[in-house]
Amino acid sequence: RKEVEQDPGPFNVPEGATVAFNCTYSNSASQSFFWYRQDCRKEPKLLMSVYSSGNEDGRFTAQLNRASQYISLLIRDSKLSDSATYLCVVNPYSNAGNMLTFGGGTRLMVKP
Amino acid sequence: DTAVSQTPKYLVTQMGNDKSIKCEQNLGHDTMYWYKQDSKKFLKIMFSYNNKELIINETVPNRFSPKSPDKAHLNLHINSLELGDSAVYFCASSQDRRGVDTQYFGPGTRLTVL
Repeated sequence: RKEVEQDPGPFNVPEGATVAFNCTYSNSASQSFFWYRQDCRKEPKLLMSVYSSGNEDGRFTAQLNRASQYISLLIRDSKLSDSATYLCVVNPYSNAGNMLTFGGGTRLMVKP
Repeated sequence: DTAVSQTPKYLVTQMGNDKSIKCEQNLGHDTMYWYKQDSKKFLKIMFSYNNKELIINETVPNRFSPKSPDKAHLNLHINSLELGDSAVYFCASSQDRRGVDTQYFGPGTRLTVL
């Protein structure tokens, strides 16, 4: 089983739609969780951290379910500019240092 | 101003050659990383340095040797390049080594081994 699993998609949605991605992780000791965004042929960039209580940033809402070991990202009112690959990222926690584990990404394509 | 920069952006070379990729960050961060993103888009950590000291060394062939002359630079040297080394290599940095804060990535170096 992969440490961080995501549906690769693509998710094809019309502008204005609401879309949700899930991600599951295998290490129950994981401490930190993030969503990164990666545009085609670009570097990953932090979209948002994911907190235990859930958090919202504009049209984006992230949720964490520790019991079921999954993380979700909800995007409301999708824009064309939201088209990208969304990477679920987990810190499995190690005293050795900051070893983020990336999922394979979920590709989102927002159509006019 | 570019926060994390890498050179070169593209690198095309023959099997068996030795090549280096340079990375510099001007964020004042203590921790720097090298990641490899293969053709299936999985991003995997290779090395992590904290204040010039190696703290993570994943299962990477010893043909890959990172060097950190100071905490703002982390270079990657690759000996005897193989076809399977073709990938995009990203450098990144963060302030904290514990995995609780943002990692800032460079633009990537697209390595093609022929």
